[in-house]
Amino acid sequence: AQSVTQPDIHITVSEGASLELRCNYSYGATPYLFWYVQSPGQGLQLLLKYFSGDTLVQGIKGFEAEFKRSQSSFNLRKPSVHWSDAAEYFCAVGTAAGNKLTFGGGTRVLVKP
Amino acid sequence: GAGVSQSPSNKVTEKGKDVELRCDPISGHTALYWYRQSLGQGLEFLIYFQGNSAPDKSGLPSDRFSAERTGGSVSTLTIQRTQQEDSAVYLCASSLAQGQDTQYFGPGTRLTVL
Repeated sequence: AQSVTQPDIHITVSEGASLELRCNYSYGATPYLFWYVQSPGQGLQLLLKYFSGDTLVQGIKGFEAEFKRSQSSFNLRKPSVHWSDAAEYFCAVGTAAGNKLTFGGGTRVLVKP
Repeated sequence: GAGVSQSPSNKVTEKGKDVELRCDPISGHTALYWYRQSLGQGLEFLIYFQGNSAPDKSGLPSDRFSAERTGGSVSTLTIQRTQQEDSAVYLCASSLAQGQDTQYFGPGTRLTVL
């Protein structure tokens, strides 16, 4: 069975600074990987996804993620954080059949002015 | 266009009562998913519908939980004899089809069992 680990529960970053959120997955086959963001009281919004091809994936809101098969990682990055990026971020892995997502525990990002 | 909608947005109920949560997927999406988000368990898959196929119920935590999807569109998640541990946010998502298609999530229904 697949699993996802997000080692950081909380991260505090200053506005304008760079951000990196870690995600490690466990899955026996080629993973389908996703990053979602959840703002307070809101549903989940897809930031980016990786299925195959280029291991550096660009997403919305200036986010990118890099798939590293050797490290079973799919870390999310943003070069310069905005106050509006304060939210909870979830990494998820989907199966080849794609019929359900397994989520990590989430990382809550706080942005300091 | 309209996204996934869920109703009610909040539901408070007493232990032992039955509740129904509704999900309206994006028009034309054939796949529909229910997830649960709780403090103790994080985000968990519950059930998945794809077209006219039998649903994947592998994530339902007990037989008190059931779901149906009428006409390939609207879905209702029913929890019978609610327990306090059922308190959570129930999220619905839909996608064009299964597989690699992006799942679009609704805002969720926050269920509180007193």
